[in-house]
Amino acid sequence: GAVVSQHPSWVICKSGTSVKIECRSLDFQATTMFWYRQFPKQSLMLMATSNEGSKATYEQGVEKDKFLINHASLTLSTLTVTSAHPEDSSFYICSATAGTDNSPLHFGNGTRLTVT
Amino acid sequence: AQSVTQLDSQVPVFEEAPVELRCNYSSSVSVYLFWYVQYPNQGLQLLLKYLSGSTLVKGINGFEAEFNKSQTSFHLRKPSVHISDTAEYFCAVSDREPNAGKSTFGDGTTLTVKP
Repeated sequence: GAVVSQHPSWVICKSGTSVKIECRSLDFQATTMFWYRQFPKQSLMLMATSNEGSKATYEQGVEKDKFLINHASLTLSTLTVTSAHPEDSSFYICSATAGTDNSPLHFGNGTRLTVT
Repeated sequence: AQSVTQLDSQVPVFEEAPVELRCNYSSSVSVYLFWYVQYPNQGLQLLLKYLSGSTLVKGINGFEAEFNKSQTSFHLRKPSVHISDTAEYFCAVSDREPNAGKSTFGDGTTLTVKP
C-alpha cells in the first residue's frame, strides 16, 4: 500500500535553532500534503495545507514565518520550525493524498520535536 | 462548521470482550466520516470510512462502524478485542471534498485492553 515516510522520527534541538522535517510519499504522487501538530493526549490540529508548486495555506493562528512549508515536488514536502522555542516542542505529523476524488489520505509516522 | 465529539476519553476493557467507542458529529452539509487508530509515537492509520451507501461500514482489524444520520453518530465497534487493540482512536469528519486532509478530528479515545 501507499506509504508516507516522515523524517526524522525524533529530534532534540536547542532553543533558537531551526529544524527541518521531511515528508515523502514513496509510491504515489502527492498533490496535497497536510501538516498537523499534536499535543500530548490531544487530537491533531491542522497547521497548513501544502499543494505542490504553490504556497502553503496556513490555518488561523499558525505563524507562517515560524513554520515554513515547502512542497517543491510531488513526493516531498518539508516543514521547517525556525528559531525554535520550548513551547514548539510537540509531535508533528504529515499526511499526503493524490488529490483525486475519494483518494485516501496517508499519514506519516510523525516527528517528536523537543526544544531544550 | 463541523465538530466531532468522542464521548469517552478512556475505555478500559478486558480481552475478548466487545467494545464500542462513541462518536457524534455536527455539520451543516453532508459529510465523510472516518475512524483512525494511532499507536504510540506513530501517525494515524485509517480503520474505516463512510462516504455513502450502506450505513454499516467494515474496516480493518475486525472493526466496524454504523453511520446514523438521525442521531448524527458514527460509533465504532468490535465484538472481541485483543491486547494489540490498545491504542488511541480518533473519529474524524470531513465535508465532501476530494480528500480528507482537512478533517476535523475528535479528541480521541484511549482504548486499553486488559488481560
